[in-house]
This record gives sequence, structure tokens and C-alpha cells, in this order.
Amino acid sequence: GAGVSQSPSNKVTEKGKDVELRCDPISGHTALYWYRQRLGQGLEFLIYFQGNSAPDKSGLPSDRFSAERTGESVSTLTIQRTQQEDSAVYLCASSSDRGDPLHFGNGTRLTVT
Amino acid sequence: DQQVKQNSPSLSVQEGRISILNCDYTNSMFDYFLWYKKYPAEGPTFLISISSIKDKNEDGRFTVFLNKSAKHLSLHIVPSQPGDSAVYFCAASFYGGSQGNLIFGKGTKLSVKP
Repeated sequence: GAGVSQSPSNKVTEKGKDVELRCDPISGHTALYWYRQRLGQGLEFLIYFQGNSAPDKSGLPSDRFSAERTGESVSTLTIQRTQQEDSAVYLCASSSDRGDPLHFGNGTRLTVT
Repeated sequence: DQQVKQNSPSLSVQEGRISILNCDYTNSMFDYFLWYKKYPAEGPTFLISISSIKDKNEDGRFTVFLNKSAKHLSLHIVPSQPGDSAVYFCAASFYGGSQGNLIFGKGTKLSVKP
């Protein structure tokens, strides 16, 4: 079946603009994660959705970042008033609720100029 | 403060030899560890995992060793192949990985030379 799909694959935006990143998880996966990877860094956890539970937002770096998930499907990560330090690859992953490993999408490369 | 550390940013190995990638962690509550492999412009893909109740898990050419007392794990690839050239991330979690997020190291870039 299809893997995790992310769009757009690349996004260039001007500082101060808002951006919206989309993630389509694997069908049937109840858990959805957003990570980001800045240049030369590891994967930094942002937010985690599990079924109908309240999301774990502990990794969001500032209140300019927010994310939503519709049921157990699509998720959007929104960054308001983008800053240059927001430039990174934003990775989405999903997994079943049985503790299976995460399946990652190919990411959205965000460049803030 | 990094909870998962991969102190070698890069490693170069000759084809056919063993590759050993190392990972250290600081939180003794971690009970599930994973290795992911990442090619450029692609998302990480799962490679192998190990539960804290084990000290070794093997899958083909890949073996992960866990030393809980030293809070250290390693990934052995033998024999190494040019297609193994990628960035390898170590990750750790609580609750057997069944909930919550994974905490990743910064990765080690492996180059396998023909």
C-alpha cells in the first residue's frame, strides 16, 4: 500500500509569511508524529497524535507552531510568521497503535528567506 | 541536553568489512531502541530494534547490541556493502515504543567504499 505522503516536497517562503505543511499517513495508522531536522542536526520531535487522545505538543518550539489532525487521517502543521531559523526538513511519520516502528514520509524542505 | 548521543558524525569503511555504529543514552528509563537509515531526500526507514530485556537482536547482515549497564548500543553491519552508505540514526523510547515520541540522535554518516 501507499506510504506516508507529505506535500509540498519543497517550500520557499519569505520571512513573516505563514506556511502550511500537509501529511497523509498510512491508512489505519492511529499514531502520527511531526519531526523536523535542521541542517547538521538530528530529528527533533514536534508533536504527536494518538487516536482521539489530546496531542502531545511538548516539542513545539513556539506558539507560532500548531498542528491539527482530522480523525485518524490527514494532518497539517502550520507555522505562522516564519523566521529564518524555521528552515528545516519537516518529517511526518505514522505508526499503528501496537508499537510498530514509525514509517516516515520524505519530508517537506522549508526554506525561509 | 541530549538524551541520545551519536558521537561519531561520520564513518568510512571498506566494502566487505564490518561497520560498527555506536550510540549512547543517558536516561535509564528508555526500554526500546531502534536504528533508522536515511538516504538523501528521503525519510528515515526502520532498520532494526531491540527491547531492553534483550542484549542482542540480529536480522541478516544487521545486529544490534545493547549494554544496559553502560547505556550503550551499537549497530554492526557485516559484510558492509556500498548500498549501505547512508545516515544512520539511533532512537530510544519509553513504554516499549507503544506510545509517545522517539528521541533521536544526530546521526552517523556511513560511507562504504568499493
